[in-house]
Amino acid sequence: QKEVEQDPGPLSVPEGAIVSLNCTYSNSAFQYFMWYRQYSRKGPELLMYTYSSGNKEDGRFTAQVDKSSKYISLFIRDSQPSDSATYLCAGSMNRDDKIIFGKGTRLHILP
Amino acid sequence: DAGITQSPRHKVTETGTPVTLRCHQTENHRYMYWYRQDPGHGLRLIHYSYGVKDTDKGEVSDGYSVSRSKTEDFLLTLESATSSQTSVYFCAITPGGTAGYTFGSGTRLTVV
Repeated sequence: QKEVEQDPGPLSVPEGAIVSLNCTYSNSAFQYFMWYRQYSRKGPELLMYTYSSGNKEDGRFTAQVDKSSKYISLFIRDSQPSDSATYLCAGSMNRDDKIIFGKGTRLHILP
Repeated sequence: DAGITQSPRHKVTETGTPVTLRCHQTENHRYMYWYRQDPGHGLRLIHYSYGVKDTDKGEVSDGYSVSRSKTEDFLLTLESATSSQTSVYFCAITPGGTAGYTFGSGTRLTVV
């Protein structure tokens, strides 16, 4: 079992909809949780990270972590065609520790 | 990309030849990582470094070696390239003051 699991998609939603992307993880020692966005033929870029359980909001993006259920979520409000990309969730035990990635979910926002 | 560059950007090489990919950073970060990304497998850690001459293996290190003789450079070498090493290779650094990596733009390697 891979340490971080996510549905590969693709997930297609109409512009303006709320998008929900989800992951599960198995390593209970994870303390840091990250979401990356990757456009085609580009490197992943860090969207946001959270420490331990809880929510974190940044503009249209909200990351949520529930350590009791080992569940990671990313919500995108008012989705735009420019949000079309692959989204990678990830976890690590410490801030400077190596990161374990999920395989990514492809998201298409339909104009 | 926050002072991290990879070279070359694209390379086609023949089976059995040695290949070296370079990752260069300008911000004196201690931690550097090499990942490969393949469809159906996602990002997998090959090797990582916590400082000059301090390297360790990741989950898919067979067939790869690394060197870090200077803080700013982390080299990934395929001693004898195979078709299974056709992939996109990403270098990453851990910037200070935050969690998560900053990635380079990647090297697209094709072994024929």
